[in-house]
Amino acid sequence: GQQLNQSPQSMFIQEGEDVSMNCTSSSIFNTWLWYKQDPGEGPVLLIALYKAGELTSNGRLTAQFGTTRKDSFLNISASIPSDVGIYFCAGTPNTGNQFYFGTGTSLTVIP
Amino acid sequence: DAGITQSPRHKVTETGTPVTLRCHQTENHRYMYWYRQDPGHGLRLIHYSYGVKDTDKGEVSDGYSVSRSKTEDFLLTLESATSSQTSVYFCAIGQGAMGAFFGQGTRLTVV
Repeated sequence: GQQLNQSPQSMFIQEGEDVSMNCTSSSIFNTWLWYKQDPGEGPVLLIALYKAGELTSNGRLTAQFGTTRKDSFLNISASIPSDVGIYFCAGTPNTGNQFYFGTGTSLTVIP
Repeated sequence: DAGITQSPRHKVTETGTPVTLRCHQTENHRYMYWYRQDPGHGLRLIHYSYGVKDTDKGEVSDGYSVSRSKTEDFLLTLESATSSQTSVYFCAIGQGAMGAFFGQGTRLTVV
C-alpha cells in the first residue's frame, strides 16, 4: 500500500501560536486532503487540494499541494483551544480511487 | 452531516465468532470504504466498493470480507474474529477530489 509519512507525531503549543505540519508520500498523488478528528468522532474534511502548487485556505487553516505532488503542508494560524485534535493528511494516488491516510499529528493547545 | 450511519456503534464479541458491521448511506454515492483505526497506524483501508456487487481489497483485507447488495448499504464481516481485529472501524463515502466523508465509527472489542 501507499506510505504516507506525517510529521510531527504530536505538538504541544501555546494558544495563539502558529502550527505547521506536513505529509510526504512514496508516490505521486492526484489529490491531497486534510482532516481533523475529535475524540470519539470520525475525521472531518478541512481542506482539499487538487493540483500541484495549489494553496487553499479555510479560515485560519492554510494547506498547500507540494510541487512534486509527493507532499502537502498544513498551517494553522493563531491557534485556539478548539483546534485540539488529531490532524490527518490523506490522498489519492495516480492510479485508483482509494484514499490513503497518514498516521496523524496530535495537537494540544495550552491556554 | 454526510448521511452515513454505522451500526452498531459499540460491540464486544468473543474470539472465533462472526461479526458483521453495517454502513448505511443516504447520499446515493457510488464509492464506499471501510477503514480501521489503530494507535500509531492512522486509518488503514480494509475494503472498498465502487458500485453494487463491485468491491476490491485494501491494504489490510486479510480476515475481512465485504458485501454490497444495495447502493446504500456496505457490510463488513469478520468471519472469525481475532483479538488483533479489536479496533475502531470507520465507514466512508466519497471519491477523488471531493474527499471521503466518514461515519461516527464502530468500536469493536474482541475478547
